[in-house]
Amino acid sequence: KQEVTQIPAALSVPEGENLVLNCSFTDSAIYNLQWFRQDPGKGLTSLLLIQSSQREQTSGRLNASLDKSSGRSTLYIAASQPGDSATYLCAVRPWTGTASKLTFGTGTRLQVTL
Amino acid sequence: DTAVSQTPKYLVTQMGNDKSIKCEQNLGHDTMYWYKQDSKKFLKIMFSYNNKELIINETVPNRFSPKSPDKAHLNLHINSLELGDSAVYFCASSQGQTNNEQFFGPGTRLTVL
Repeated sequence: KQEVTQIPAALSVPEGENLVLNCSFTDSAIYNLQWFRQDPGKGLTSLLLIQSSQREQTSGRLNASLDKSSGRSTLYIAASQPGDSATYLCAVRPWTGTASKLTFGTGTRLQVTL
Repeated sequence: DTAVSQTPKYLVTQMGNDKSIKCEQNLGHDTMYWYKQDSKKFLKIMFSYNNKELIINETVPNRFSPKSPDKAHLNLHINSLELGDSAVYFCASSQGQTNNEQFFGPGTRLTVL
């Protein structure tokens, strides 16, 4: 059974800092991994999707890496801003022949202070 | 706006009642999902439909019955509501079942009293 863990559970940094969020998964047979952000009381916004054959994906100040063999992904946020404050979730999709589903991590709650 | 939308946004009801949550997506996707986010903020899939056919049903009590009248809609009907059903329910959609991003709706906060 796939288990996805995110460390740390919560993180507070001053504005302008670069930071790394970690995601680990127990079963390396994944199809892809997706990073989301969730604002309080809101839905999930997809940030980046990394296919199992890829090592990293970039979007603006965000860079996500994937090391499938070790069961790890990181989300790097450069020059953090107060607007980045949210909960960040990673989710993995298993490699199956037919239907598949996302297994979500426990989330990292990020606060960027002025 | 192109999006995944859910109604209602909030739902407060008594134990034992029956309620429905509606979801619509205008992204042209062929696969839709229902997720449950519990009080600890843990998200777990409940159901998935592809082209109106049920493809994932995760050990969810049969009081929960999804219905997909067409590819753009996936509704969730819940019978005999229980206190433990209180959660935020998210609808999502994707094109295909595997390698494409899932897009989420804003969620429906269900409170059972």
